[in-house]
Amino acid sequence: DQQVKQNSPSLSVQEGRISILNCDYTNSMFDYFLWYKKYPAEGPTFLISISSIKDKNEDGRFTVFLNKSAKHLSLHIVPSQPGDSAVYFCAASAGTYKYIFGTGTRLKVLA
Amino acid sequence: EAQVTQNPRYLITVTGKKLTVTCSQNMNHEYMSWYRQDPGLGLRQIYYSMNVEVTDKGDVPEGYKVSRKEKRNFPLILESPSPNQTSLYFCASSRRVGSQETQYFGPGTRLLVL
Repeated sequence: DQQVKQNSPSLSVQEGRISILNCDYTNSMFDYFLWYKKYPAEGPTFLISISSIKDKNEDGRFTVFLNKSAKHLSLHIVPSQPGDSAVYFCAASAGTYKYIFGTGTRLKVLA
Repeated sequence: EAQVTQNPRYLITVTGKKLTVTCSQNMNHEYMSWYRQDPGLGLRQIYYSMNVEVTDKGDVPEGYKVSRKEKRNFPLILESPSPNQTSLYFCASSRRVGSQETQYFGPGTRLLVL
């Protein structure tokens, strides 16, 4: 049973526009969520986190939104840049450091 | 520079031959973790550690052992590797302050078990 789902395996966006990456989860006990990006042949890079006490967290071009009632979170990248082209993973935990990851969404930002 | 290092970066071994992948962090983080990445499956957590001498199972712990004798080091041990443990392995360390968490990953260890 996939507790964390990223239903879009890939996404293409024009440079300068907004990229929206989505993540759904099934476990209502999840209270901490993280987003990462990963380039080929490199380790994942942490981007931004959000706890369940918030519904939004911003860091520069990256904003994460959490909708607890819908069990849905999204990562917004504005404006998108070609260097943002990577695979993006969301992850969730329930009160511990035991994380469940989604399978990733490949973002391609077109110049 | 904040860093998580892993060694070796690449390893080819044979079934049953014990191996250890080392992981070290220089940020004095309490939390460390091991993940494996497989095509189509994303990242899956193997083990994590909340602090020295405190470890717990992640999503896929079978066939692996870990130890946390010092804060900076968190080695991953495969006592009897099998071909289904061929994968890309990542170590990570993390700090959570209030509602903010920052996590750093190592560069990865690509393991092939023949």
